[in-house]
Amino acid sequence: DAMVIQNPRYQVTQFGKPVTLSCSQTLNHNVMYWYQQKSSQAPKLLFHYYDKDFNNEADTPDNFQSRRPNTSFCFLDIRSPGLGDAAMYLCATSRDRGQGRETQYFGPGTRLLVL
Amino acid sequence: AQSVSQHNHHVILSEAASLELGCNYSYGGTVNLFWYVQYPGQHLQLLLKYFSGDPLVKGIKGFEAEFIKSKFSFNLRKPSVQWSDTAEYFCAVVASGGSYIPTFGRGTSLIVHP
Repeated sequence: DAMVIQNPRYQVTQFGKPVTLSCSQTLNHNVMYWYQQKSSQAPKLLFHYYDKDFNNEADTPDNFQSRRPNTSFCFLDIRSPGLGDAAMYLCATSRDRGQGRETQYFGPGTRLLVL
Repeated sequence: AQSVSQHNHHVILSEAASLELGCNYSYGGTVNLFWYVQYPGQHLQLLLKYFSGDPLVKGIKGFEAEFIKSKFSFNLRKPSVQWSDTAEYFCAVVASGGSYIPTFGRGTSLIVHP
């Protein structure tokens, strides 16, 4: 009965080698989010999709891209990972934006290691 | 832009002790407030939330939080913690009238000794 699934749970990549993280949801939620979380820091929103409408945070590096081919799936592409991109990447969903009252449902995260 | 401060980064308690985790935010307007919890090896999940009405809100597993508007605070409390409460706790704030996207605090790691 997993609701937000992230694959893989652990990803090791080489410096500069493109990597894709995936997220899927069985909740049929409109909104999907990608967060980056480094040790002892707050989750940092990278971008979110409201249905097909892509919303990029102003300080998200160009190195990070996202795709949402359908309601259920969302991908995070890191075009040229640097050592500073090593982090936990969290995917979350919410039914709607709901004037800020919606609960977010999180996946287990993908821990990215850059060698 | 709003910010969220969680003052206690690491808290260690014995079972049956009382718990209070601080959360302060910087935003002068109407806010929606959340506490999320992440148990070891599990995903973040909602503990409780507050939008309006009674400023004392109750959540799952005996947790409660109190919204004090004048102090810009939304502290999490539990009268008697259990070993199973060992987890990371995150406060999140959504400012009304903006993008409706939550801003998270950096989290508080709670360890409860049996």
